[in-house]
Amino acid sequence: SQTIHQWPATLVQPVGSPLSLECTVEGTSNPNLYWYRQAAGRGLQLLFYSVGIGQISSEVPQNLSASRPQDRQFILSSKKLLLSDSGFYLCAWCSSGVYEQYFGPGTRLTVT
Amino acid sequence: GEDVEQSLFLSVREGDSSVINCTYTDSSSTYLYWYKQEPGAGLQLLTYIFSNMDMKQDQRLTVLLNKKDKHLSLRIADTQTGDSAIYFCAESIRGDKLTFGTGTRLAVRP
Repeated sequence: SQTIHQWPATLVQPVGSPLSLECTVEGTSNPNLYWYRQAAGRGLQLLFYSVGIGQISSEVPQNLSASRPQDRQFILSSKKLLLSDSGFYLCAWCSSGVYEQYFGPGTRLTVT
Repeated sequence: GEDVEQSLFLSVREGDSSVINCTYTDSSSTYLYWYKQEPGAGLQLLTYIFSNMDMKQDQRLTVLLNKKDKHLSLRIADTQTGDSAIYFCAESIRGDKLTFGTGTRLAVRP
């Protein structure tokens, strides 16, 4: 069966520090991968998605970036965090051509 | 652009039925989803419906779609305390990028 992992679960970082969040999927190959952000009390906003290694589409211009160095690994990064980057970051996957997205447990990021 | 709206809060008594409503604006939406989020956790896919369907039932869950009014609802029969969570409606045109509503917090009182 397929599982999706996110690391770390929680993170507290000062403003201006770098960020690296990792998402990995097991039990499938060539998945579509997604990064969403959920601000406090709000819905989810799609940040990036990827249909293959090295293929990244950005939905929202901001100081975040994403990379997909391996088939089942998706990384969200920032060179300098802003206070507004605080939130709950969720990674999701789906099989290409299948309409069901499955979410990881999330990373709660607090920028101080 | 796409917009998905939900009411913020719903309170029901244990054993009653819950109905959570959602409206969307994009008439091209082909796939409509319901997700459940428990505190501090990720989202769990509950069910989804294609736009060419009117209804889908899965155990205690019933999804109704009124495509003309762009209205989606989720009915939970015999609501239990374990159903307390935030429920998100989402839509997608091609089944890849999802647009989410702000979520409805369901509180089940004994």
